[in-house]
Amino acid sequence: RKEVEQDPGPFNVPEGATVAFNCTYSNSASQSFFWYRQDCRKEPKLLMSVYSSGNEDGRFTAQLNRASQYISLLIRDSKLSDSATYLCVVGQTGANNLFFGTGTRLTVIP
Amino acid sequence: DAGVIQSPRHEVTEMGQEVTLRCKPISGHNSLFWYRQTMMRGLELLIYFNNNVPIDDSGMPEDRFSAKMPNASFSTLKIQPSEPRDSAVYFCASSLGSGTQYFGPGTRLTVL
Repeated sequence: RKEVEQDPGPFNVPEGATVAFNCTYSNSASQSFFWYRQDCRKEPKLLMSVYSSGNEDGRFTAQLNRASQYISLLIRDSKLSDSATYLCVVGQTGANNLFFGTGTRLTVIP
Repeated sequence: DAGVIQSPRHEVTEMGQEVTLRCKPISGHNSLFWYRQTMMRGLELLIYFNNNVPIDDSGMPEDRFSAKMPNASFSTLKIQPSEPRDSAVYFCASSLGSGTQYFGPGTRLTVL
């Protein structure tokens, strides 16, 4: 079983729409959680960390459900510039390495 | 500030040739990671170093792959001999401990 599983999409949404991505992780000992964004033919970049209480950064909201081992990302008022692949990322206590999901591809349509 | 630097950015080689990929991590970072990304398998961790010491190389596909980190500012990933199935984008990333990983621009490798 993969450490992190995501729906690969693609998600095609109109500008201004709200879209949600989900992922699940297999190791209950996981302690750190992130969403990374990867543009076409570019490197992954940190979008936001995910905290237990949930957190918001502008139009982006991340949620963590430890009991269900589930992480979500909500994007409100989608912009064309949000088109990218969103990677769910999980880390474990005592280790510096991270486990990446295969990513969910989003295309925002004019 | 300079980010993670990788070279070359593109490499095209023939099957059987040796390939060396290079990485300079962000100054002050003590963890360095080598990843491989393909459409089929996504982003896979190959190996990572803490303080120049290899910690986990379980992702290295086989003996044809080797990685070194002779000092805190330089690492290499070598493939010898290369095969067409090694074609992928290879990313290097660095972090300070378990903090945010910053990725380099990647090396796009094509083995003919």
